[in-house]
Amino acid sequence: KQEVTQIPAALSVPEGENLVLNCSFTDSAIYNLQWFRQDPGKGLTSLLLIQSSQREQTSGRLNASLDKSSGRSTLYIAASQPGDSATYLCAVRDDYKLSFGAGTTVTVRA
Amino acid sequence: DAGVIQSPRHEVTEMGQEVTLRCKPISGHDYLFWYRQTMMRGLELLIYFNNNVPIDDSGMPEDRFSAKMPNASFSTLKIQPSEPRDSAVYFCASSDSLLETQYFGPGTRLLVL
Repeated sequence: KQEVTQIPAALSVPEGENLVLNCSFTDSAIYNLQWFRQDPGKGLTSLLLIQSSQREQTSGRLNASLDKSSGRSTLYIAASQPGDSATYLCAVRDDYKLSFGAGTTVTVRA
Repeated sequence: DAGVIQSPRHEVTEMGQEVTLRCKPISGHDYLFWYRQTMMRGLELLIYFNNNVPIDDSGMPEDRFSAKMPNASFSTLKIQPSEPRDSAVYFCASSDSLLETQYFGPGTRLLVL
């Protein structure tokens, strides 16, 4: 059974600092990995999807890397803003099923 | 597109009552997923449909839970009878491919007293 771990569980940084969020998974036989953002009381918004053949994916200030062999992914958010405050979830897809981590709750202080 | 639509957004009910959650997927998406999110267990897949047919319901916790998809634009998740431990946020998601991005609805926050 795929286990997905996200460390740290919570993170508080001053505005402008770069964010580094970590995700690890136990079974490297995955199709892809997806990063989501969840705001309080809201659904999940997809941020980036990295296919298993890719090493990284970028969108604006966001960059996600994938090292499938070691079972790790990292989400970098450059020059953080208060609007980046949310919970970030990592999800790994093997076969059809998405297995989610518990998330990292980020607070960006103005 | 309006995205995935779920109703109701909040539901408070008493133990033993029947609860029905509703979902309208994004038009053209062939896959529909029901998830449950709790503090203790995080996000868990309950069931998913392909072209209105249930493919895997192994995540459905008990026989008290049932899901249907009578047509491509509507699905329901029913709990009968409901119990306090069913309290959670229930999400519906849809996608046009099994391996591509899933788009989530805003969720239904269920509280069973």
